[in-house]
Amino acid sequence: QVQLVQSGSELKKPGASVKVSCKASGYNFTYYAMNWVRQAPGQGLEWMGWINTNTGNPTYTQGFTGRFVFSLDTSVNTAYLQIRSLKAEDTAVYYCARRGSGDSYTDYWGQGTLVTVSS
Amino acid sequence: EIVMTQFPATLSVSPGERATLSCRASQSVTSISVGIAWYQQKPGQAPRLLIHGASTTATDIPARFRGSGAGTEFTLTISNLQSEDSAVYYCQYYNNWPPEITFGQGTRLEI
Repeated sequence: QVQLVQSGSELKKPGASVKVSCKASGYNFTYYAMNWVRQAPGQGLEWMGWINTNTGNPTYTQGFTGRFVFSLDTSVNTAYLQIRSLKAEDTAVYYCARRGSGDSYTDYWGQGTLVTVSS
Repeated sequence: EIVMTQFPATLSVSPGERATLSCRASQSVTSISVGIAWYQQKPGQAPRLLIHGASTTATDIPARFRGSGAGTEFTLTISNLQSEDSAVYYCQYYNNWPPEITFGQGTRLEI
């Protein structure tokens, strides 16, 4: 069965960096693009962008350029989200979510990783 | 950029009744390469796909969940409501190329 398992919660100080992992299993990793979605505390879902798991080419939406980096390690079927120069407003749950079969909806989601930025 | 507006913000319904959740797109969703999906999110959990293609029920989702609509108006109808249906429901616009996703702000359903 398809599973996306994310790394655990992180507590970071402002200015630090964090790298969240998303390990996929149960399907051919390079056949389906991976999306990243942010959910701030008590807020809705915000699409950050996606990464082509075949080419490694990332695409970022407005507001997630510069400090946010999507990457892959296809040898271990894992996608990564790195956030540099963390700010308090980056505090949120970050989800990886697989692109659906044939269409761009998100069919399987990781369990989410809470990143807390606090001094 | 398309904007998805969900209403009502909160809906309270009794067990066994039916709930109707609405989602309006700021522009028509008619191309073959675009679509609407619905998700259920319970506290502390990841969203779960319910519906895609506006009306196609996802795998293992009960038939009580039904999606409908076209153009700019879309609806998620949940019949025979049960206590475990209490959650926040999100609609999602998606475009296949270039890939684009936009979520509505969510409707909180209380049973």
